[in-house]
Amino acid sequence: AQSVTQPDIHITVSEGASLELRCNYSYGATPYLFWYVQSPGQGLQLLLKYFSGDTLVQGIKGFEAEFKRSQSSFNLRKPSVHWSDAAEYFCAVVSGGYNKLIFGAGTRLAVHP
Amino acid sequence: DTGVSQDPRHKITKRGQNVTFRCDPISEHNRLYWYRQTLGQGPEFLTYFQNEAQLEKSRLLSDRFSAERPKGSFSTLEIQRTEQGDSAMYLCASSLTPSKETQYFGPGTRLLVL
Repeated sequence: AQSVTQPDIHITVSEGASLELRCNYSYGATPYLFWYVQSPGQGLQLLLKYFSGDTLVQGIKGFEAEFKRSQSSFNLRKPSVHWSDAAEYFCAVVSGGYNKLIFGAGTRLAVHP
Repeated sequence: DTGVSQDPRHKITKRGQNVTFRCDPISEHNRLYWYRQTLGQGPEFLTYFQNEAQLEKSRLLSDRFSAERPKGSFSTLEIQRTEQGDSAMYLCASSLTPSKETQYFGPGTRLLVL
């Protein structure tokens, strides 16, 4: 069965520092991968997605992610974090014919001033 | 584009009561999904509608749960005889066929069962 692992439960970075959030997936074929962000008490906002083609994907808010098939990874990066980036980040993979999403457990990001 | 809306945003109920949540998808989106998110976890799939047809249900969806999408527009999720373990955020998402579409999420309904 498909699965997504986000190894880091909590990450704390200083404002202006670079960020990398890890995501590993388990999927037999070419995966459709997503990163969503969730602010406290809110729904999920799509940051970026990978379906095929260029393995480096650009998203909103200055985020990017790189698909590495050999490592079964889809890590999210940002060169310079802003305090407003503090939130919970979820990696997800599409599963099954009806395209339901399988989510990781999330990584909570804290940003120090 | 008004986005996906959900009502109510918060619900507090006593154990054993029935509750119903509503989701209004983005207009013309024919795919609608319900997910449940408990504290510290990612969302988990509950059920899927294509137009008015409920095509997939998770084993998480016990007999106390029922979902409908009459006329392929809004959807309702009802929980009968609520239990404390039902306390969670219930998220609705919609998307447009064909495949590779993005799911757009609503703000969720947070349920607390006392």
